[in-house]
Amino acid sequence: QSALTQPPSASGSPGQSVTISCTGTSSDFGGYNYVSWYQQHPGRAPKLMLFEVSKRPSGVPDRFSGSKSGNTASLTVSGLQAEDEADYYCCSYAGSNRFVFGVGTKVTVL
Amino acid sequence: EVQLVESGGGLVQPGGSLRLSCAASGFTFSSYWMIWVRQAPGKGLEWVAKIKQDGSEKYYVDSVKGRFTLSRDNAKKSLYLQMNSLRAEDTAVYYCAREGLGATPDYWGQGTLVTVSS
Repeated sequence: QSALTQPPSASGSPGQSVTISCTGTSSDFGGYNYVSWYQQHPGRAPKLMLFEVSKRPSGVPDRFSGSKSGNTASLTVSGLQAEDEADYYCCSYAGSNRFVFGVGTKVTVL
Repeated sequence: EVQLVESGGGLVQPGGSLRLSCAASGFTFSSYWMIWVRQAPGKGLEWVAKIKQDGSEKYYVDSVKGRFTLSRDNAKKSLYLQMNSLRAEDTAVYYCAREGLGATPDYWGQGTLVTVSS
């Protein structure tokens, strides 16, 4: 099972928006809407930011939004803040009770 | 408050074995699928294995099949990962996670480092 494709890096100035893509094959995303996004700061455990493509867990700011079209999912962070600087990983259900993560994208706040 | 605390990591020689544990609290452990995810140093996340609420179903990533065994003790609210025939490429921080919202890992422990080296 190959990792999902993400750009290695993305950046934006405070207040701007940044969008990260996550691309897989039809067998990765299939017809499922079980795509989630995680934020990971250095030395810390990942934190769930979005699940089922665009749903936010309690406590996650609405600056974080998600979408999916075909075999590509996207995470958009609007109104960038310094604390948004982190690694972001997508994750998709890949069938047969298995999941696959993306390779990760480092977001830098300029 | 949901808490997951991993233990059992350490340095082991290639071919050796290690047993990781994960102690859960703050939620009804027996109601959730549980997952292990690992992260090699400086690398991305890799889904490793998951186990059903009653332990009757287990799924593994191909690279660990036949070497790793997942189990749980609902009375002790604990999850275990028995790792045998360890290889250098198994070196990673191993995270215990709960499968919750959207059938995805929603709560994670802080991880335990496994280093396979001679």
